Amino acid sequence: KNEVEQSPQNLTAQEGEFITINCSYSVGISALHWLQQHPGGGIVSLFMLSSGKKKHGRLIATINIQEKHSSLHITASHPRDSAVYICAVTSYYNQGGKLIFGQGTELSVKP
Amino acid sequence: NAGVTQTPKFQVLKTGQSMTLQCAQDMNHNSMYWYRQDPGMGLRLIYYSASEGTTDKGEVPNGYNVSRLNKREFSLRLESAAPSQTSVYFCASSERGLHGLNFAKNIQYFGAGTRLSVL
Repeated sequence: KNEVEQSPQNLTAQEGEFITINCSYSVGISALHWLQQHPGGGIVSLFMLSSGKKKHGRLIATINIQEKHSSLHITASHPRDSAVYICAVTSYYNQGGKLIFGQGTELSVKP
Repeated sequence: NAGVTQTPKFQVLKTGQSMTLQCAQDMNHNSMYWYRQDPGMGLRLIYYSASEGTTDKGEVPNGYNVSRLNKREFSLRLESAAPSQTSVYFCASSERGLHGLNFAKNIQYFGAGTRLSVL
């Protein structure tokens, strides 16, 4: 079993829909990251959080440390949100800031 | 501001050939990383360098070597390429790589990737 599991693996939505991507992890963490990989391949960091909730524009990330679960929400989705969304954690005990990655959720938003 | 620059963007090798992937960052980051990304596998860490002068193995180091040439540059070498090394390779950097301390500085910044095919 992977240490970081994402669901769903694939998601198709209509423009304007509210989207939720889930991430569960099994290790103690110091931080959880959400990253976005566009069809062109580039990867950017969206959020890093260790508790509570963060919001940036139409994106909201939440984390529940007790349940070892995080969600990424996209409100009023748009075709330009189509990308692979990757959850990753920094294990509390690891050195060097290494990330443990989920397999990604491929999101397609149709106009 | 260039961020993390990887070269080349694409490469085709024959089995047994060698090559070096170059990575440079201009953010004065301490830590640098090399990942490979394969379909269905997600990103996997090959090697990392927590600070200048140090390197450590990641999850899938076999068949690779690295050099942290200076604080800016971290190269990945394939000595004898194999078809199993066909992948997309990403370099990344972060300001600080120590666990539990100032972890806000562990945000990683990624290069654009190198698409490598080994025939």
